[in-house]
Amino acid sequence: KAGVTQTPRYLIKTRGQQVTLSCSPISGHRSVSWYQQTPGQGLQFLFEYFSETQRNKGNFPGRFSGRQFSNSRSEMNVSTLELGDSALYLCASRGVRGENGEAFFGQGTRLTVV
Amino acid sequence: ILNVEQSPQSLHVQEGDSTNFTCSFPSSNFYALHWYRWETAKSPEALFVMTLNGDEKKKGRISATLNTKEGYSYLYIKGSQPEDSATYLCAFEVSGNTGKLIFGQGTTLQVKP
Repeated sequence: KAGVTQTPRYLIKTRGQQVTLSCSPISGHRSVSWYQQTPGQGLQFLFEYFSETQRNKGNFPGRFSGRQFSNSRSEMNVSTLELGDSALYLCASRGVRGENGEAFFGQGTRLTVV
Repeated sequence: ILNVEQSPQSLHVQEGDSTNFTCSFPSSNFYALHWYRWETAKSPEALFVMTLNGDEKKKGRISATLNTKEGYSYLYIKGSQPEDSATYLCAFEVSGNTGKLIFGQGTTLQVKP
């Protein structure tokens, strides 16, 4: 069973640009969540999609947006990049909730804003 | 604001030592408590997902307990090995129609041979 795939793995962008990150979940998983990790911070929840609907959003500015397609693949977009957006972005997919509802994480996209 | 706290922040032990970490979480809106291990240059991997108060889970030398009434979970590692070196994350899953996980900042364990 293929794992969660995130592309690209590394990205360097300039302030003011926008960026799109992609996440392909495990086959059959309908829930995809996005997290941001910056130095000294834990994983900060960005948003969660389930069957193409955003069910929950974290405390991030509107520059951060996402979407999910009918095949459950998800994209995350950040517009008007700021230096503080430099971070590791992880996505995670889940099949169910409850005791078998562990999240499966991708390897992340390391975004550097210069 | 729902807050999850882990302690200690970091830990250095000798091979063979047993150790434990704490995760504190809100006692309301609880659905589940997750534990993940995150090794350097890898993705976080699930250790346990617990939903019931008093639950205990075990995987090899690693075990976890859950107290939802007082809002804490312990993770124990018996006889630590160098390969146990990693950051251990707990995550609080909120009840309701959501897949939101709120992560603590993690406990970084370094096991010296």
